[in-house]
Amino acid sequence: GNSVTQMEGPVTLSEEAFLTINCTYTATGYPSLFWYVQYPGEGLQLLLKATKADDKGSNKGFEATYRKETTSFHLEKGSVQVSDSAVYFCALSDFSGSARQLTFGSGTQLTVLP
Amino acid sequence: GAGVSQSPSNKVTEKGKDVELRCDPISGHTALYWYRQSLGQGLEFLIYFQGNSAPDKSGLPSDRFSAERTGGSVSTLTIQRTQQEDSAVYLCASTITGGTTDTQYFGPGTRLTVL
Repeated sequence: GNSVTQMEGPVTLSEEAFLTINCTYTATGYPSLFWYVQYPGEGLQLLLKATKADDKGSNKGFEATYRKETTSFHLEKGSVQVSDSAVYFCALSDFSGSARQLTFGSGTQLTVLP
Repeated sequence: GAGVSQSPSNKVTEKGKDVELRCDPISGHTALYWYRQSLGQGLEFLIYFQGNSAPDKSGLPSDRFSAERTGGSVSTLTIQRTQQEDSAVYLCASTITGGTTDTQYFGPGTRLTVL
C-alpha cells in the first residue's frame, strides 16, 4: 500500500535559518505529491504540490521537487520567519484500490524563534 | 460558501452516546472526504464520496462509524455508541473532481471529546 514517511519533529530554528523537512514515499502507481500546512488554530491548507516527476512546487518561499528516483519530496526554505511556525504534512494522492484519497505523513512541528 | 464548513466546531459527549458531525463542501465540488486526526498523529482516511458513486468506506475503523452524503452536497458522519478512543479532530475535505492531482480543501474540523 501507499505510505509517507516524514522527518520527525519538533524542529526549532532561529529566524532566517535554512529549513529542510524530509519526506519519502512508497506508492504503487504514479502519485501526486503535496505539502499541507496547519498554522496554530487554523485548518489544513495546501502549501504546494507537484504532479509528476521532476516537477518543482513552490509557494511563499517554500520549494519541493518531486524526485522519482529517490521517491522523495523534501520541503525547503532558504530563510524561515516566525510566521512559518506551524505543522507541516507531506502527502501523496494516488489510486489505492478504488479510493482516491490522500495518504499523509505524521506531520512535523516547526517552531521559528525570533 | 467560500470554503468548506463543519459543525459543530466542538462536541463533548459521554461514552455510549451517538454523535453526528456535519460537513458542507465547497459548492460544485463533486468529491468529499472524511479524515480523523488524533492527538500527535497524522490524518487517517475514513471515507470518500465521489458524485453519485457508491462511497469508499475502506477507512472506517468499525461498524459504529457511518456516513452519508445527501444530494451530492452536505455530508453527515455518524458515530454510534461513542468510545473514548473516538476522541479526535474530524476533518472534512472536498475537491472539484476527486482526481489525484486535485487540491483538497479542508474544513476547520470538529473536535470530538468522549468522556
